[in-house]
Amino acid sequence: NAGVMQNPRHLVRRRGQEARLRCSPMKGHSHVYWYRQLPEEGLKFMVYLQKENIIDESGMPKERFSAEFPKEGPSILRIQQVVRGDSAAYFCASSPTRGNGYTFGSGTRLTVV
Amino acid sequence: GESVGLHLPTLSVQEGDNSIINCAYSNSASDYFIWYKQESGKGPQFIIDIRSNMDKRQGQRVTVLLNKTVKHLSLQIAATQPGDSAVYFCAENIEEDTGRRALTFGSGTRLQVQP
Repeated sequence: NAGVMQNPRHLVRRRGQEARLRCSPMKGHSHVYWYRQLPEEGLKFMVYLQKENIIDESGMPKERFSAEFPKEGPSILRIQQVVRGDSAAYFCASSPTRGNGYTFGSGTRLTVV
Repeated sequence: GESVGLHLPTLSVQEGDNSIINCAYSNSASDYFIWYKQESGKGPQFIIDIRSNMDKRQGQRVTVLLNKTVKHLSLQIAATQPGDSAVYFCAENIEEDTGRRALTFGSGTRLQVQP
């Protein structure tokens, strides 16, 4: 049973480009959470999704950021028109029930140049 | 000893000693707490959890203590090993009318184990 799979592991984008980060939850998990981590800091909650629904996006910047978790396929975190301040590690976690039993992926390290 | 600098606070211990990592949380209504270990370049890894109806829980070489009165959580690691070197985060969440919220993470403590 594979864990939470995130890809790519590393992503380099030029300012103004779009970044797409993918997360495949563990088998049987229908709850997905995205977190952002800056160097030497803790993880900051961004968004919580269930299949086809955004449940809590209170941590998501209002502009340029969006997330989806379609009926089929991975969850996608999309950042449009990236800026240097978007450079961070983005972690996805999944759980079998809401708010419990999180398993984290290895993250995507986004670098904006 | 423990020091607080511009970035993560760091706890340095000798191999074989016991380590105590502390965490203060702000939401008195939080009812579920977890400690995570994060090694360089990896995602957080679950260590141990505790619910608010308990004040102590033990695992293999680890113990979590919860003091709800002062909103304080601690992680004790017995006989610390070099492989324990990592950043440790506490996390909390709360059950609301609409369901359990996503985890909120603390700022972390770096544990350095000296051989």
